[in-house]
This record gives sequence, C-alpha cells and structure tokens, in this order.
Amino acid sequence: IAGITQAPTSQILAAGRRMTLRCTQDMRHNAMYWYRQDLGLGLRLIHYSNTAGTTGKGEVPDGYSVSRANTDDFPLTLASAVPSQTSVYFCASSEGPDQPQHFGDGTRLSIL
Amino acid sequence: GENVEQHPSTLSVQEGDSAVIKCTYSDSASNYFPWYKQELGKRPQLIIDIRSNVGEKKDQRIAVTLNKTAKHFSLHITETQPEDSAVYFCAARGLYNQGGKLIFGQGTELSVKP
Repeated sequence: IAGITQAPTSQILAAGRRMTLRCTQDMRHNAMYWYRQDLGLGLRLIHYSNTAGTTGKGEVPDGYSVSRANTDDFPLTLASAVPSQTSVYFCASSEGPDQPQHFGDGTRLSIL
Repeated sequence: GENVEQHPSTLSVQEGDSAVIKCTYSDSASNYFPWYKQELGKRPQLIIDIRSNVGEKKDQRIAVTLNKTAKHFSLHITETQPEDSAVYFCAARGLYNQGGKLIFGQGTELSVKP
C-alpha cells in the first residue's frame, strides 16, 4: 500500500550515534506502529500510537523513543545506537487500534 | 501477556497440494487473528484475518479456522502455486481496552515446488 512511506530504506550507523527513522502515511489512519524484524524472532512491537498526541510501549521499547505530533508522522528515534539494534524496522498503520494493520516497505539498519 | 506459537517453521509442498500452518495463543481474551505473507525483502502483506465471533473465513484458495476453546487458529492454502512461496506470519491481538496489541508468531517459510 503506497500510503506508508519509510525513510531511509537502509542505513549503516556507528554505535553511539543518534538516528531517527521516519514514517509518514497519507491515509489519515489514527493508529501507527513500529516493529522490528529479526531472523527467527518474527515481528516485535517497539512502540505504538492509537491517536495523534498519544504513544505507548510495545514488547521491546528499551533504547527507542517515538512522538506523534500529528496524524501523518510517527518518527522512531534511537538516542544512542547499539549493535543489538541492527534489524529491519517496519512502520505500520491502521484506521483504528482494532482495525487491520498495513505495513511500509521497511528500513534496514546496521549498527557497527 | 500474550504469547503466540507458530508451527511448522518450514514447510515444503508440491504444487497443487494443500498447506496448513498452525498457531496457538495464550491469552483467552484475544479477539483478532490476522495472517500476513512476506516475500523475500518485501513488506508483510495482510492476506486474511478472522475475529473471535467467527469460526472460519475463506477467500478463494485461502481459509482461516479458529478454535477459541483450544486457543488455536490455522491457515489453509489449497491448490498451492509457486507464487505462494513466502514466509507466513500469524498474529493475535487482545482487547483494546485491556491494552491489546498485535503479537506475532515466529513465521513459517513455505516452499512450493513446481
């Protein structure tokens, strides 16, 4: 679904650096989510937002922060990247918290 | 919290055969169960979902069944084709007013041999 845009598509980052992954949707969906995908572990929820102005913690929130200043944007920030945060990050959105989620194309992040 | 187990981790079938992937969940309050298909290097795509008030749902060659008592649900693909080859993920979500969030299984890599 072309309505979710993630940037960058990939990034190599030195440990200790700060990094913000961007996610924008143009479908006016209320709910947005950040997942990380690691081999053998499936998709794990990092943070979510059920509506603009609110956020919540998922399964693996440590080391990550999010903000939801408006409906369209949901950036994910790594304040001080560590190698264990090497992963593929997917942003998703849904009309509401109890509606089907649709994913963006992902950001492949490598921390060295 | 919710825990979702998915089996098998890999599945190989001949073209035209059926494929079945099974998931179990731990939280009896879970009420929504989607299935996603992910091709190599691509995004997960929703292929079918079911809510707890329904026991079975079909969409062409794919179907999902839900057994609330046993807390398990399954994906059935009939007349498999090579383009069905992908990783499939199940997920479960609890009640919204109880902080329900989508918890995924570990994935099943399906290979359909021509």
